[in-house]
Amino acid sequence: SYELTQPPSVSVSPGQTARITCSGDALPKQYAYWYQQKPGQAPVLVIYKDSERPSGIPERFSGSSSGTTVTLTISGVQAEDEADYYCQSADSSGTYKVFGGGTKLTVL
Amino acid sequence: EVQLVESGGGLVQPGGSLRLSCAASGFTFSSYWMSWVRQAPGKGLEWVANIKQDGSEKYYVDSVKGRFTISRDNAKNSLYLQMNSLRAEDTAVYYCARDSFSGGNDYWGQGTLVTVSS
Repeated sequence: SYELTQPPSVSVSPGQTARITCSGDALPKQYAYWYQQKPGQAPVLVIYKDSERPSGIPERFSGSSSGTTVTLTISGVQAEDEADYYCQSADSSGTYKVFGGGTKLTVL
Repeated sequence: EVQLVESGGGLVQPGGSLRLSCAASGFTFSSYWMSWVRQAPGKGLEWVANIKQDGSEKYYVDSVKGRFTISRDNAKNSLYLQMNSLRAEDTAVYYCARDSFSGGNDYWGQGTLVTVSS
């Protein structure tokens, strides 16, 4: 079955830039989506179609894509950004959805 | 305001069945694909299934094929997940989520906990 690979954890100091990667063979063909999840809460969509930002999401959140890797970048990280982040995409057919394993962002 | 409210979770023995419901409001339910996503305790998100607007297409993750059935009633603005032959590994919070027109899931419910244990 298709898999997306994320680093388990990323740590940054406040004000720095955090980059979270997600790798998968079908990413050149399928869009990626990013979610933020805080403890005890439902996920929130923060990036769609690789690099688009939903309304209400701060400008410090951005996304990019290069080959089989997509990246979520959080510029000027704030304490409130500490959360788990998940990428999502689909297999090469576009039929079956899949989530990455998640990355825990720690703000030092 | 878009709202998705799940119900039907609880404790069930291995091999048992449970039916989850998701009540949708604040949008034209019949215009959207809908999904179920689950999260085992302390683990990551796992897409479970989704269903087309008219129910004519349904897709499942391999681990639940043949055991779970997704369905919807557009007249009642409701999404369902019938879960049979439940296993311990099905223990999770189950979220109902709307599939946005741009792809991805733009609205989520608060989740309902399913615990499979003897």
